[in-house]
Amino acid sequence: GAVVSQHPSRVICKSGTSVKIECRSLDFQATTMFWYRQFPKQSLMLMATSNEGSKATYEQGVEKDKFLINHASLTLSTLTVTSAHPEDSSFYICSARGRLAGAVDTQYFGPGTRLTVL
Amino acid sequence: AQSVTQPDIHITVSEGASLELRCNYSYGATPYLFWYVQSPGQGLQLLLKYFSGDTLVQGIKGFEAEFKRSQSSFNLRKPSVHWSDAAEYFCVNTDKLIFGTGTRLQVFP
Repeated sequence: GAVVSQHPSRVICKSGTSVKIECRSLDFQATTMFWYRQFPKQSLMLMATSNEGSKATYEQGVEKDKFLINHASLTLSTLTVTSAHPEDSSFYICSARGRLAGAVDTQYFGPGTRLTVL
Repeated sequence: AQSVTQPDIHITVSEGASLELRCNYSYGATPYLFWYVQSPGQGLQLLLKYFSGDTLVQGIKGFEAEFKRSQSSFNLRKPSVHWSDAAEYFCVNTDKLIFGTGTRLQVFP
């Protein structure tokens, strides 16, 4: 079964509004969560890395004021796209690093959130 | 630099034919390698993963992959492809967060 969930799976919003995407690790504590963005027909691009209780580390070229990341607990991280514009339309995927019972510490990916900004 | 390479950007096979998608990694230690599938407009779905131990890994949907250290490869295979297998496949080193560029699979009837 799924070990990382994302909500919502799809969202459509008007230009200028803000959208929050949640990423939860199920059955394990995620010390680190990652947010990716996928452009059409391309591989995933790492946007930022967040550790519980500390500020996220953004990759070069990613606007931290536009993509707000909050890692409030060991099982929840949120990505807020502020003042969204059509060019922000994309597929956003989170992953969580942790250890399921009996397994090694590694990454698990969420199912993704498709954002469409009109 | 560490990398994950999927040499084939696009592969086309006939339904019922066998399939092998290539993945090569560059990493000194044993990597944690995953294969994901992404159907159009959908999220990633984990097919199988390798950490250590048996080098032949069985996954869902009839897929398997074999870790070959001597060739630095983790190729994905399926003996008989179904039309529903048409998708994009990603090989990922999850320990180092390195993605392959993906291989798009087309299946003809």
